[in-house]
Amino acid sequence: GEDVEQSLFLSVREGDSSVINCTYTDSSSTYLYWYKQEPGAGLQLLTYIFSNMDMKQDQRLTVLLNKKDKHLSLRIADTQTGDSAIYFCAEITPDSSYKLIFGSGTRLLVRP
Amino acid sequence: GAGVSQTPSNKVTEKGKYVELRCDPISGHTALYWYRQSLGQGPEFLIYFQGTGAADDSGLPNDRFFAVRPEGSVSTLKIQRTERGDSAVYLCASSSRGGAPGDGYTFGSGTRLTVV
Repeated sequence: GEDVEQSLFLSVREGDSSVINCTYTDSSSTYLYWYKQEPGAGLQLLTYIFSNMDMKQDQRLTVLLNKKDKHLSLRIADTQTGDSAIYFCAEITPDSSYKLIFGSGTRLLVRP
Repeated sequence: GAGVSQTPSNKVTEKGKYVELRCDPISGHTALYWYRQSLGQGPEFLIYFQGTGAADDSGLPNDRFFAVRPEGSVSTLKIQRTERGDSAVYLCASSSRGGAPGDGYTFGSGTRLTVV
């Protein structure tokens, strides 16, 4: 079955790097995503990675994918207070609906 | 419109009542999704429309839930005989193609439904 798991909470100091981890179960997922959710707002797509890639870098964001272990991580360099939010990992189903299976989210708190 | 619009932003209803939640997707987006996000959880898939038809309704929890998209643009999620367990944020998302994996979707800000 499909299941995505994340740790619940992460606290870092402003300027440090943050690493948010995720494990998933469906090895046939073709794309994996990271979304950001701020209070009262919808989900904002941060980045995604295709399953044949090991790493993707996009400005301050680095995504690492370990397909063997079904492990995905998001690294945020030089974390800012504006990065405080809930981060969701999601995998896409391999059927024609392309629906997303989300983890429970990791709440990132950035301390000044 | 510029984004996905959901109305109302908040809805409080009494147990047993009927509610309708509206989603106005980005103009021209053929794919539309409804998700439900309970407190402290990630969004869970409810239903997917491609054009006017429900291509996948496997996430609807029971027959009290129903959704329509009669003209292939605006969609309405309908919940009959609401229960307290239906309280959640209902999110709508749209995409220019079926799923558009590389683009993800564009999500609306959601409707927070509270059943008292």
